[in-house]
Amino acid sequence: KNEVEQSPQNLTAQEGEFITINCSYSVGISALHWLQQHPGGGIVSLFMLSSGKKKHGRLIATINIQEKHSSLHITASHPRDSAVYICAVRSGTSGSRLTFGEGTQLTVNP
Amino acid sequence: EPEVTQTPSHQVTQMGQEVILRCVPISNHLYFYWYRQILGQKVEFLVSFYNNEISEKSEIFDDQFSVERPDGSNFTLKIRSTKLEDSAMYFCASSEALQDRSLPFFGQGTRLTVV
Repeated sequence: KNEVEQSPQNLTAQEGEFITINCSYSVGISALHWLQQHPGGGIVSLFMLSSGKKKHGRLIATINIQEKHSSLHITASHPRDSAVYICAVRSGTSGSRLTFGEGTQLTVNP
Repeated sequence: EPEVTQTPSHQVTQMGQEVILRCVPISNHLYFYWYRQILGQKVEFLVSFYNNEISEKSEIFDDQFSVERPDGSNFTLKIRSTKLEDSAMYFCASSEALQDRSLPFFGQGTRLTVV
């Protein structure tokens, strides 16, 4: 079983839809990261969470430590949101490494 | 906005050759990382570096790999005697503090192709 599992693997939405991407992890963590990987391959950090909820523009990330689960929400989705969204965790025993999920490929159609 | 710069963007090398991938982290950052992503697979941690020494490395980071901060601005990943399976996108990242305290900034990646 992977330490970090994301669902769905692929998601297609219409412009304007509310989108949710889920991440579950199996280890104790000190932080959870959400990242965005563009079609050209570049990676951008979106959020780092250790508890609660964070919001940046149309993006909202939540985490439930007890349930070992995090969600990334995108409100009013737009075609430019099309990318791979990756969840990664930093576990308390691993020092500085991040363990990555497989990613969720999001396609937003106009 | 400050950014992490990686060169080259694409490197093709023959099997058995040595390659050096270069990165210029953000200037006030203290922690540096290399990750790799084999085509179609997830991103994998290779190594983290702080205070001029390796702070953690993964099982992938064996004696074939080494990292160096030769001049206070560059951060390099050397891969000796490259193998076909080393073909991947290599990402450099840097952060002000450990990754549970600050966001890592990633470079655009170097695509390494071993032929």
